[in-house]
Amino acid sequence: NAGVTQTPKFQVLKTGQSMTLQCAQDMNHEYMSWYRQDPGMGLRLIHYSVGAGITDQGEVPNGYNVSRSTTEDFPLRLLSAAPSQTSVYFCASSSGRTNTEAFFGQGTRLTVV
Amino acid sequence: GDSVTQMEGPVTLSEEAFLTINCTYTATGYPSLFWYVQYPGEGLQLLLKATKADDKGSNKGFEATYRKETTSFHLEKGSVQVSDSAVYFCALGSGTYKYIFGTGTRLKVLA
Repeated sequence: NAGVTQTPKFQVLKTGQSMTLQCAQDMNHEYMSWYRQDPGMGLRLIHYSVGAGITDQGEVPNGYNVSRSTTEDFPLRLLSAAPSQTSVYFCASSSGRTNTEAFFGQGTRLTVV
Repeated sequence: GDSVTQMEGPVTLSEEAFLTINCTYTATGYPSLFWYVQYPGEGLQLLLKATKADDKGSNKGFEATYRKETTSFHLEKGSVQVSDSAVYFCALGSGTYKYIFGTGTRLKVLA
């Protein structure tokens, strides 16, 4: 009963490095999304996908790329890390049916130095 | 656009005290409303939800009622425990896949 699985849990990057945060879900959910959580700002939507092959920008997309080649996976790529991207990142999925909730992964704590 | 406003924290209570965390929303249409809880070092977990006006969601002693007339979804618990210490997020679901979250309220319960 895995749900939404994120890796890694912790990561430290140097400014300018790139990396990919992994997210996988086993609930056959159509909708997947990435949020970042910063103190006093709640969760802000970075990118989302409504199905394989379909992605769109959220509230704070700059500096991040996504792709959705399968229903299960939705990786988030940081192309050139900046200290402003230090945050906790959450992946979420939902079925897309009306009135249903989102399910969250355990989060990735990223520090950019 | 849609939005959620919840009370600033932190909220500090003694064990067995009554808890209220206020949440109000702005939305077009008829959103679903959710409360999520985040324990230290973990992701968000659904605590309860309500999908239409006057619905009451409840779970683990927590309750919230969907009030359309006041656009509110306040979280309450009659007697908090130390184990309830966490961050609580109010959220609305707009359409089939869009979610808007409040900024979160940190609750600390002292023994």
